[in-house]
Amino acid sequence: QVQLQESGPGLVKPSETLSLTCTVSGGSISSYYWSWIRQPPGKGLEWIGYIYYSGSTNYNPSLKSRVTISVDTSKNQFSLKLSSVTAADTAVYYCARVTPSIAAAGYYFDYWGQGTLVTVSS
Amino acid sequence: SYVLTQPPSVSVAPGQTARITCGGNNIGSKSVHWYQQKPGQAPVLVVYDDSDRPSGIPERFSGSNSGNTATLTISRVEAGDEADYYCQVWDSSSDALVFGTGTKVTVL
Repeated sequence: QVQLQESGPGLVKPSETLSLTCTVSGGSISSYYWSWIRQPPGKGLEWIGYIYYSGSTNYNPSLKSRVTISVDTSKNQFSLKLSSVTAADTAVYYCARVTPSIAAAGYYFDYWGQGTLVTVSS
Repeated sequence: SYVLTQPPSVSVAPGQTARITCGGNNIGSKSVHWYQQKPGQAPVLVVYDDSDRPSGIPERFSGSNSGNTATLTISRVEAGDEADYYCQVWDSSSDALVFGTGTKVTVL
């Protein structure tokens, strides 16, 4: 059973860079896509971006200028960096595995981490 | 960008059927996936590729997709089905993964 666990600071100052790591256990990070998703308190889900184990990435156009996702296959981990954060970036951040849809083009999230709350405040 | 619209809330009595809609332009041409999220927990995939269920998801959860509306149907609703539900698609024009606005299901 694949398990994902987010880790990183729970408090980040405005204008600084948010950094989170997701550790994958129970399976290899290879041959899959991996993603970050966030959810502001009391609000809906927002896709941030995904990375293929080979390193190719795709980001939400609304966040693209501030987001970097990287992968370390030797550690079975992938990471998120979000720069120039503001209070609007306060959210629970989830990491998830992405599986390509068979029926038609597309992707869905089949395994999720428990999520970690990141608060942006001075 | 592609927009997915869901009703904010749906209320249903135990044992009845809940239908949650997800509206989008020509959504019938896309694969739609559905997630259940209970308070304080991560989302759980309940339907993928319009109507398939992951292992462990009860047959009471089913999905359909046609035209401009996809629907998640929960039959014989139980108290444990009370949660937020989100639809999700991949928008090829922007190469982005998109979530619906979410629907809170309340079991009366």
